[in-house]
Amino acid sequence: SQTIHQWPATLVQPVGSPLSLECTVEGTSNPNLYWYRQAAGRGLQLLFYSVGIGQISSEVPQNLSASRPQDRQFILSSKKLLLSDSGFYLCAWEPRADTQYFGPGTRLTVL
Amino acid sequence: SQQGEEDPQALSIQEGENATMNCSYKTSINNLQWYRQNSGRGLVHLILIRSNEREKHSGRLRVTLDTSKKSSSLLITASRAADTASYFCVILTGANSKLTFGKGITLSVRP
Repeated sequence: SQTIHQWPATLVQPVGSPLSLECTVEGTSNPNLYWYRQAAGRGLQLLFYSVGIGQISSEVPQNLSASRPQDRQFILSSKKLLLSDSGFYLCAWEPRADTQYFGPGTRLTVL
Repeated sequence: SQQGEEDPQALSIQEGENATMNCSYKTSINNLQWYRQNSGRGLVHLILIRSNEREKHSGRLRVTLDTSKKSSSLLITASRAADTASYFCVILTGANSKLTFGKGITLSVRP
């Protein structure tokens, strides 16, 4: 069966510090992968998606970036965090073009 | 907007009662999906209904779709405290369209 992992589960970082969140999927190959952010009391905002290694599409311009160095690994990064980057970050994978399965999420607090 | 809009924003019921949550949209769709998110967790896919379907069941869940009214309802029968969560309606407008999540409905089931 397929499993999706995210780490860390929680993170507290100062403004201006770098960020690296990791997502890995097991039990499948060449999945579509997604990064979402959920701010408090709001819906999910699609940040990036990837249909293959090295293929990244950005939905929202901001100080975040994403990379896919391996087929089942998706990384969300920032060089300098802003207060507004605080939120709940969710990674999802898509076995077919209509259903997504989500990881447990990373709670990021920027102070 | 290619996004489902959920109604009500919040719903509080007694355990054992039925919970009805609604979703409206403005475009033609390929399918409509409902997801659940327990507090601080990732989203879980509940059910998908295609545009040519009118009703679908999964356990205690019943989803209806009225494409003429561009609306859907999610009914949870005999609710339990464990059903307490946020519920999101997601529409898919085309084969390559991305899932767009709204703010969701916060359901509280009182024991």
